[in-house]
Amino acid sequence: QSALTQPASVSGSPGQSITISCTGTSSDIGGYNYVSWYQQHPGKAPKLMIYEVTNRPSGVSNRFSGSKSGNTASLSISGLQAEDEADYYCTSYASSNIWVFGGGTYLTVL
Amino acid sequence: EVQLVESGGGLVQPGGSLRLSCAASGFTFSSHWMTWVRQAPGEGLEWVANINQDGSKKNYVDSVKGRFTISRDNAKNSLYLQMNSLGVEDTALYYCARDLAGVGALDIWGQGTMVTVSS
Repeated sequence: QSALTQPASVSGSPGQSITISCTGTSSDIGGYNYVSWYQQHPGKAPKLMIYEVTNRPSGVSNRFSGSKSGNTASLSISGLQAEDEADYYCTSYASSNIWVFGGGTYLTVL
Repeated sequence: EVQLVESGGGLVQPGGSLRLSCAASGFTFSSHWMTWVRQAPGEGLEWVANINQDGSKKNYVDSVKGRFTISRDNAKNSLYLQMNSLGVEDTALYYCARDLAGVGALDIWGQGTMVTVSS
């Protein structure tokens, strides 16, 4: 049950696009289309941004999109805004009916 | 308003026990898988356990198996986490969350309840 691998930090300027990667194995990301992404601002509860790899919940901006290739999932954010600065976590279903999170990526909007 | 409210956290000595509760409102509680997620101070999120709609299926991360028990009371719209044999490594903010469609999409979260294990 190893955590998924995310970069510790990424950054971009307002209006730019960024991508956050989340790497797992064939036993989690590569084996199932149950990848979700969460945004967490300091002192706040996480917020669901993407589920089932590509689906956006109602109310989430279409600037956020998800994808997957092999054992790596990605979250892309276009048109960066100051309020996008936050921690981002990926999660995936893994074998044996458990779920595993990534270590988190802090997005800095320069 | 759709809402989850956790309670029951606090300071406990190593080896002690705590029971966390999560009160749900504003949605049909009995229709959803429910999950506990924790976050140690300054650290990332960790999936802890989940339970299906009628409580017949329960899953746990290895580090809490045999020590923690997840349960629910649909008549009371409540989720629980019984935590025994607590260690310092269990110190964290514990969140309950609703699974949107049983696919690990945690769309509603509580504000969390803090558990501190210390002598």
